[in-house]
Amino acid sequence: SQQGEEDPQALSIQEGENATMNCSYKTSINNLQWYRQNSGRGLVHLILIRSNEREKHSGRLRVTLDTSKKSSSLLITASRAADTASYFCAISGSARQLTFGSGTQLTVLP
Amino acid sequence: KAGVTQTPRYLIKTRGQQVTLSCSPISGHRSVSWYQQTPGQGLQFLFEYFSETQRNKGNFPGRFSGRQFSNSRSEMNVSTLELGDSALYLCASKAPTGLDTGELFFGEGSRLTVL
Repeated sequence: SQQGEEDPQALSIQEGENATMNCSYKTSINNLQWYRQNSGRGLVHLILIRSNEREKHSGRLRVTLDTSKKSSSLLITASRAADTASYFCAISGSARQLTFGSGTQLTVLP
Repeated sequence: KAGVTQTPRYLIKTRGQQVTLSCSPISGHRSVSWYQQTPGQGLQFLFEYFSETQRNKGNFPGRFSGRQFSNSRSEMNVSTLELGDSALYLCASKAPTGLDTGELFFGEGSRLTVL
């Protein structure tokens, strides 16, 4: 299965701290994407990193990709209470649909 | 530009009934994908439609079906509902340039409760 596995399942931090989430996968990929989901709502695309890229930035987000270890990490710097949400990695590989991981529930305490 | 619109947002059905959910993609998007989200199984791919043709299908029983109309709007149908079908059903569209690997634009979902 190409499904990504996020780690940790849950993360609780104070406002202003950095939050790091990890995603591991099993097969070769075309790209890896990160999405955010507020409770009971739809998912919102955050960032896409291609298999030939190692690092990408978008605002307070930093994503790294290590294809040799089949892993990616999402770093949110200077977290805010509004960052509280579930974060999912999604794998784009040989199958033509995105396969989502189980998610990390991030809680940012004010 | 309007986002992906799903209707209804909430619905309650009883076992054995059937349900139809609707999804209108972003204007210009011709690909529509459906996902089921449950606490136990997470996000699971149901199917994708492009230009009225099913392009890809997940591992769900035949009770789950879908279709797409010429205006790209899509519907999914679940027949003979089971308790385990209770879930958030998410629809997502893709821009034409991102058909195979691009980002998904999700709707807010349809929350189905089966009693």
